[in-house]
Parts: sequence; structure tokens; C-alpha cells
Amino acid sequence: KQEVTQIPAALSVPEGENLVLNCSFTDSAIYNLQWFRQDPGKGLTSLLLIQSSQREQTSGRLNASLDKSSGRSTLYIAASQPGDSATYLCAVSQRSGNNRKLIWGLGTSLAVNP
Amino acid sequence: GAGVSQSPRYKVAKRGQDVALRCDPISGHVSLFWYQQALGQGPEFLTYFQNEAQLDKSGLPSDRFFAERPEGSVSTLKIQRTQQEDSAVYLCASSLLQGTYGYTFGSGTRLTVV
Repeated sequence: KQEVTQIPAALSVPEGENLVLNCSFTDSAIYNLQWFRQDPGKGLTSLLLIQSSQREQTSGRLNASLDKSSGRSTLYIAASQPGDSATYLCAVSQRSGNNRKLIWGLGTSLAVNP
Repeated sequence: GAGVSQSPRYKVAKRGQDVALRCDPISGHVSLFWYQQALGQGPEFLTYFQNEAQLDKSGLPSDRFFAERPEGSVSTLKIQRTQQEDSAVYLCASSLLQGTYGYTFGSGTRLTVV
């Protein structure tokens, strides 16, 4: 059974720091991995999608890597800003019967302090 | 539309009341998913539609939960005789093709059963 773990559970950093959020998964048979951002009381905003054949994706100050064989992904945030404060969730997509389900980590709660 | 739209944003229901939650996916998205997110937890899969066909409903917690997508676009999640444990955020996501190109989530409906 696929299990997704995110470390750390919470992170508080001063503005301007570069930081790394970690996501690990136990079953490497995935289709893709997606990083999401969730603000309090809000829905999920997709940040980056990495297909299983890819090793990284970049969008602005965000870079996500994927090492499928070792079951790990990292989300790198450069020059963090207070507006980056949110919960970051990673989810892997894998086959389940007629469906591809998303299996989720519990998230990393990030606070960027001015 | 440009994104996934969910309504209502907030719903307070008295225990035992029936509720209906609506999801309007991105136009042309074949796949539609419902997830339940309890406070402090990652989303949990409820059910999946491909067009109008409900291909997977294994995540529905009880027979009080029912979902439909009669014309392959708008979907409704209905909860009968609501209980306090049903309190959660209900998220809808759509995808062009079974998540191959990632998932787009709506803002969710926060259901509080009192």
C-alpha cells in the first residue's frame, strides 16, 4: 500500500531564505507526482506536476525534483517571501482498479516571517 | 470555465439534514474526482467519474453518500442524514485524462454539521 510522507511537518523561516520540502513514497510504481499549495480555508492550488519519466520541473522560484527509484521528491523554494506561507502537499498518482488515485502526504506547514 | 467551481463555499447543516454539494469542472475535462479533507489531514479519495460513468466509488464512507454526474459535466455529491463526523472540506478535482496532465482542484465546500 502506497504511503506518502512529508518532512518536516512544519517549518518557520525568515524571509529570503532558500528552503527544501521533502516528500517520500513507498511504492515507486507511480504515474506522476504533483505538488500543491493550500492556504487556510482554501482549496488546493497546483504548483508543479512531474511525470514519472521526468526528473524535475521548474516554475519561477519553485523547483521540484523526482527520484522515482528511491521514492523521493523535493520542492525547493528560492528566496522565500511571506506570501509563500501556506501548507504544501505532495501527492502521487497511481493506478487503482479503473482509476488513478492521488495518494497524499499530510503536508508541510510553512511560515515565512518578514 | 477557467477553473473548477464548487458551491456552496460553506454549508452548516443540522444533524440529520440532507445536503447537496455541487462541482462544475473545467470544460472538456473527462475525469472528475471528489475528495474529503478533515482538519489537519490530507485529502481522502471518495469517488471518481469518467464522463457520466462512476467508475470508482470505493472511498464513499457509507451508503449515506451518493454522487452523480448525469451529463458528464456538473457533479453533485449528496450526503443524507448528515452526522457530525461528516464535517470536513469536500474538494472536487477535474482532469483532462485520468490525471495524466495533473489535477485542478476547486476551492472546496466546508461542511459543518451541528
